[in-house]
Amino acid sequence: DGGITQSPKYLFRKEGQNVTLSCEQNLNHDAMYWYRQDPGQGLRLIYYSQIVNDFQKGDIAEGYSVSREKKESFPLTVTSAQKNPTAFYLCASRPEGTGSTDTQYFGPGTRLTVL
Amino acid sequence: QKEVEQDPGPLSVPEGAIVSLNCTYSNSAFQYFMWYRQYSRKGPELLMYTYSSGNKEDGRFTAQVDKSSKYISLFIRDSQPSDSATYLCAMKAAGNKLTFGGGTRVLVKP
Repeated sequence: DGGITQSPKYLFRKEGQNVTLSCEQNLNHDAMYWYRQDPGQGLRLIYYSQIVNDFQKGDIAEGYSVSREKKESFPLTVTSAQKNPTAFYLCASRPEGTGSTDTQYFGPGTRLTVL
Repeated sequence: QKEVEQDPGPLSVPEGAIVSLNCTYSNSAFQYFMWYRQYSRKGPELLMYTYSSGNKEDGRFTAQVDKSSKYISLFIRDSQPSDSATYLCAMKAAGNKLTFGGGTRVLVKP
C-alpha cells in the first residue's frame, strides 16, 4: 500500500521544547517538502529536499530544521526558537520527471499544539 | 498584497448546483496551475492540473485558465454533499516553488 505517512496525527508540546514530526513515503519520490498551514493563509513552504543529503530553506524556515538521510524519510524538527509553532503541518513528495509541473502529493498532516 | 488571492468563503450551494471557484494572481510568470481538494483535518489531494491557458475537463470538474486576465477557475457540476471541502488553488513558474491560495470552503447542502 503506497503513500505518504505522517505521525503523529496530533501532537502537544510545552513551550521551550523541541519536537520532531515524522514523514515517510514509499513512492520512490526524490523530492519531499514540508508546509505549514494556518487558517486562511494557505500553505507556506518551510523546507524542501530534492535529493538525499541535500535540502533548502523555504519561505518560513526560521525555527525549523530538517534532515534527509534516506530517500524515504524527511523528518521536521520544530525548535523552541519557533515563536508561533501551533499549526497544521503537511509533508508532500513529488514524482520523478515532474520537475516543471511540480505536481505534489500530500500526507495526512500533523496538528501541533503548543500548550 | 498576496501573490495569489482566493475568496475564503464559505460558499454554500444546494445539492446538484454548479460550484464556481476562482483565484486571481499577480505573477505573469506562472505557467502551471493546480486545484487541490482538502477535507477537514486531512492533507490536500490533487484534483486538476493545467498548463498555460485553456480548459480541462475531468468528469464533473472543469478547470479554466485565463492568463491574460491572470484568473483561474474551477467548476464542479452536479455537486454532491461529498464535495464539501476546502479547495486550494496552486500555481508556479517553471523551476520555481508552488504558491498556494488561501483556500475556499465549500458547503453542499442536501
